[in-house]
Amino acid sequence: AQTVTQSQPEMSVQEAETVTLSCTYDTSENNYYLFWYKQPPSRQMILVIRQEAYKQQNATENRFSVNFQKAAKSFSLKISDSQLGDTAMYFCAFTMYSGGGADGLTFGKGTHLIIQP
Amino acid sequence: GAVVSQHPSRVICKSGTSVKIECRSLDFQATTMFWYRQFPKQSLMLMATSNEGSKATYEQGVEKDKFLINHASLTLSTLTVTSAHPEDSSFYICSAPRGRGLYEKLFFGSGTQLSVL
Repeated sequence: AQTVTQSQPEMSVQEAETVTLSCTYDTSENNYYLFWYKQPPSRQMILVIRQEAYKQQNATENRFSVNFQKAAKSFSLKISDSQLGDTAMYFCAFTMYSGGGADGLTFGKGTHLIIQP
Repeated sequence: GAVVSQHPSRVICKSGTSVKIECRSLDFQATTMFWYRQFPKQSLMLMATSNEGSKATYEQGVEKDKFLINHASLTLSTLTVTSAHPEDSSFYICSAPRGRGLYEKLFFGSGTQLSVL
């Protein structure tokens, strides 16, 4: 079974600072997807960034980027120029690539990120 | 645009009653629907996967007789919590991919907060 570990239950930074959230995972599979999701107080799940395991290039989306280290099974999220609206729970998630169809996500326990004004 | 509409957003019921949660895919056909449960301040846990026209697949430890899933059409999947008890109180979220294995098009419902008195 796959596991996802987020070792930082809570983090707090000042607005405009850069923050990195850590995530490690365990799998014996070679083809998979990794995600970072944001869950604000509304509890709507919002995709932040997605990475395919076969791609060596780290994914980026505006202020959000990842450091994907496949051999180390590490997938950290860097948020640059943090904003008050970034305050939320952040979940790292994993799913296997299955050519036969979609698989459910395995989520980490989450990191509560607080951006201080 | 494509979304997953989930209803109700909140439900309070008495112990022993059954509650039905609906998830509808709008502007796309959801051949697969994932159902998650999220306890307060915890992560999302995959409960089951439903595929249109076939029986749902339940994760280990999830009682299939308590959590009835029906996916009778390509746009509607329902989760019925039968004979609900206070320990079933939780936040339930559905999610559907658009297309097979296309995780960039993974839509989440807005969730249902179930409170059993």
